[in-house]
Amino acid sequence: QVQLQESGPGLVKPSETLSLTCTVSGGSISGYYWTWVRQPPGKGLEWIGYIYSSGSTKYNPSLRSRVTISLDTSKNQFSLKLSSVTAADTAVYYCARFVGGSGWFFDYWGQGTLVTVSS
Amino acid sequence: DIVMTQTPLSSPVTLGQPASISCRSSQSLVHSDGNTYLSWLQQRPGQPPRPLIYKISNRFSGVPDRFSGGGAGTDFTLKISRVEAEDVGVYYCTQATQYPWTFGQGTKVEIK
Repeated sequence: QVQLQESGPGLVKPSETLSLTCTVSGGSISGYYWTWVRQPPGKGLEWIGYIYSSGSTKYNPSLRSRVTISLDTSKNQFSLKLSSVTAADTAVYYCARFVGGSGWFFDYWGQGTLVTVSS
Repeated sequence: DIVMTQTPLSSPVTLGQPASISCRSSQSLVHSDGNTYLSWLQQRPGQPPRPLIYKISNRFSGVPDRFSGGGAGTDFTLKISRVEAEDVGVYYCTQATQYPWTFGQGTKVEIK
């Protein structure tokens, strides 16, 4: 059974960089799109971007200038960095696995981690 | 960006009765490869999203057959044939036909 687990600071100061890591267990990194999605408190879901197992990335244009997603295959981890954060970036951040090919869907999600931006 | 609009935003349902959620996209979700990458997710209170259906009507393993998806082009529907207590939560449609991937605003299913 594939499992994903987010980790990182729960509190980030305005203008600083939010950094989260997702650890994948029970399956291979290879052949999938490793994705970040966020959900502000009480609101809907927003796709942040993904990194494919080859290392190629795709970001939401609304966040592209501030987002970097990277992959560490040796540790079965992928990471999110979001720079210059403001209160609007306060959200539960989920990592998820996305299946490409003929499927093209999310199949596994982490439990999510709440990140609050506040001084 | 493709805007996904769900109706209703809230759906109070009696146990054992059907529920239906509509999802309309601002552009056709038919990909150039001929597939339509429209999925449905369920989010129970305090839980992460759970995949229910992909490519309009395909149920994921373990999803009860009381859930069904349908539609085409820009209009899609998720139906629950007989609502059970465990179905309470927020349901999202999502498209992966075009970047950026987008989600509907969510429909809250609750028991009357």
